[in-house]
Amino acid sequence: GAVVSQHPSWVICKSGTSVKIECRSLDFQATTMFWYRQFPKQSLMLMATSNEGSKATYEQGVEKDKFLINHASLTLSTLTVTSAHPEDSSFYICSAPLPGSPLHFGNGTRLTVT
Amino acid sequence: DAKTTQPPSMDCAEGRAANLPCNHSTISGNEYVYWYRQIHSQGPQYIIHGLKNNETNEMASLIITEDRKSSTLILPHATLRDTAVYYCIAAAFHASKLTFGTGTRLQVTL
Repeated sequence: GAVVSQHPSWVICKSGTSVKIECRSLDFQATTMFWYRQFPKQSLMLMATSNEGSKATYEQGVEKDKFLINHASLTLSTLTVTSAHPEDSSFYICSAPLPGSPLHFGNGTRLTVT
Repeated sequence: DAKTTQPPSMDCAEGRAANLPCNHSTISGNEYVYWYRQIHSQGPQYIIHGLKNNETNEMASLIITEDRKSSTLILPHATLRDTAVYYCIAAAFHASKLTFGTGTRLQVTL
C-alpha cells in the first residue's frame, strides 16, 4: 500500500491566488521530505528539501518566497505556491524516506493555473 | 549520483519480455542501481535495485554486468499496464534523495 500520501491529486486555481499541497508519510515519521516538480514530457526536478522543525533548503533557481514549505510535524510537509501564475502549472510530487527502504513517492498533484 | 544513459523510447509487444538497458559507466563502488517507473500522471514507483548481483522480484529482474557499467531491467511478460517511463538511477543505498534522468518511455502494444 501507499506509504506517502499527497493531497489534492489535482487543483485548478486562478492566477494570483495561492494553493497548498500536502504530503503525508503514512505510519512512519519523516524528518525530511522532498518536493519535485515535473513539466510535461520532462523528468522530475528536485525543488527543495523539507526539514522538520527548521527551514527548507531550496535547489538553485527555485524561489523560496514563491514556494513556501512548512514541515510542521514528522508526518506532514506542505508546499504552498504563492501568487500562482500559469507558468507554475506543473506536476508536483513529494517523497519521504522510510528507513531501510527505497525512497517512496506520493502520487503527485497536478496544478493548473488559469 | 553517477550519470545514467537510457534510450528515450522502446516498444514491446504484450506478453513478450521487455528489456530496458541502462549505461552507468561512472558508477562508484558504493552506488546501487535503482529502477523506478512512472505511469502517466502518477508518482514514481519503485521497481527493483541491486549492487552487483542479479536481482529478481515479483515485478522484474535486474541484470548488472560484471564491471557494473551497465544494467538491464527485464519485465518478463509485459502487459499494457507496464506502459510507462522507466528511470534508471545510480545512488547510494536507500538514498533519501534521487536525481532523475530522462528515462525510457516504454510503450507496450497489443
